[in-house]
Formats: sequence, structure tokens, C-alpha cells
Amino acid sequence: GAGVSQSPRYKVTKRGQDVALRCDPISGHVSLYWYRQALGQGPEFLTYFNYEAQQDKSGLPNDRFSAERPEGSISTLTIQRTEQRDSAMYRCASSLAQRGASGNTIYFGEGSWLTVV
Amino acid sequence: AQKVTQAQTEISVVEKEDVTLDCVYETRDTTYYLFWYKQPPSGELVFLIRRNSFDEQNEISGRYSWNFQKSTSSFNFTITASQVVDSAVYFCALSGGYNQGGKLIFGQGTELSVKP
Repeated sequence: GAGVSQSPRYKVTKRGQDVALRCDPISGHVSLYWYRQALGQGPEFLTYFNYEAQQDKSGLPNDRFSAERPEGSISTLTIQRTEQRDSAMYRCASSLAQRGASGNTIYFGEGSWLTVV
Repeated sequence: AQKVTQAQTEISVVEKEDVTLDCVYETRDTTYYLFWYKQPPSGELVFLIRRNSFDEQNEISGRYSWNFQKSTSSFNFTITASQVVDSAVYFCALSGGYNQGGKLIFGQGTELSVKP
């Protein structure tokens, strides 16, 4: 597609429920990233993929968070047993990046706002 | 450790004023990249510029200009003749090292308010 597409844009869920956030990267982009942004803060890295391989998940806060990109395109970020502290905007991004090319421009989607009540 | 500091939390100017947003970074990498992103009230994160550590040439794009100084580890952003549409939160970010894979470290952001 023309840009990074995320869904849902807004999600309200009850504490303890599982949520899945979807990301469709820019067509042809090899690398896909997930970031989390709390209100009034800058985005914080969660994880990233090159094709279908998860290269770095050092930013995932705990084992309730997981991500997959099974066919190297669309990705899903899943949060199990949500807690109120998980409330934030979750941003997906993609880049053309070749291996190790950390300078490739990273384009962000509009984000998914998650509110856990 | 890598770190980006945007000391100005909020800036308010009147339209047509020039404004500079400061960004100071810390890294031990010899190769790194610096970015600026704009987050307007609608919430999307819009890419503005990428600069690599070997290119200290300043860049101008319309009313926007960037001043990269390795000696002071700064990558400041100036908007000339500001307009109301420039009102947004601006983020500076750092990506470094061959194996970082494009992982960005963001500053806290500077909220710019341009009043008519």
C-alpha cells in the first residue's frame, strides 16, 4: 500500500483480555518495527523483523507481549492478559533496510491507540 | 548507551518568528544516523530528515534547516518564518551501529505551538 496501515486505530479492552494489533507495511519493505508511545513521551522500540524473522525483541516488556510476521509482510502484535499499564499508542513502522543498514528511513503508521479499562 | 535529549519540552512562538528546536545525542558508535520526525495533532509520525554521522553539511529544505555539529553532539532544527501549520510535537531520534537494524532511540519531544 501507499503507507503503513494499522488496525484497529482505537481499541478499548477490559483488563485481562487479549488484544491483537495488526500492521500492513509499505509494499516491498523488508523490515518491520513495533514501537510503543505513552502519552507525552517519545516512541520506544519493542521489536523488529527482517522478512519473517524476528531479529530483535529486546524491547518487549515481558512475556505477555509477542509479535509475528509469518509471511514476511503483515505483522501482528499480541498482548495477552492486558493490564492498565499497557495503555498506550502502538506504532508500526517499515523500511527498505538491507541487512545492517541502520540508516534506512523508517516510515511510521498512524498507530493503534490501546486503552485498557 | 545511546541517548537523545530534547531539553525544550514546550515552545510557543508567534507566526512568522524563527524557532530552533534543540537535540543533543550520546553514542559510542562511530557510524550513526540522526532523524527528525513531526507528530501533528492528528497523531501520525511524519519523517522529516535523516543525516548520517559522516555528513556534517547543513541541510535546508524550504523553511526548514538542520545544523549537525559532531563536536557538540547536536542536531538542531530551525523553522524559519513559522506558520500555524507547524504546530506539532517534534522528535529527534538516533540510530546507530551496523547491527542496530534501524532501531531508533527517540528524545522526549518538543511541543511547538505557533500562534497566529
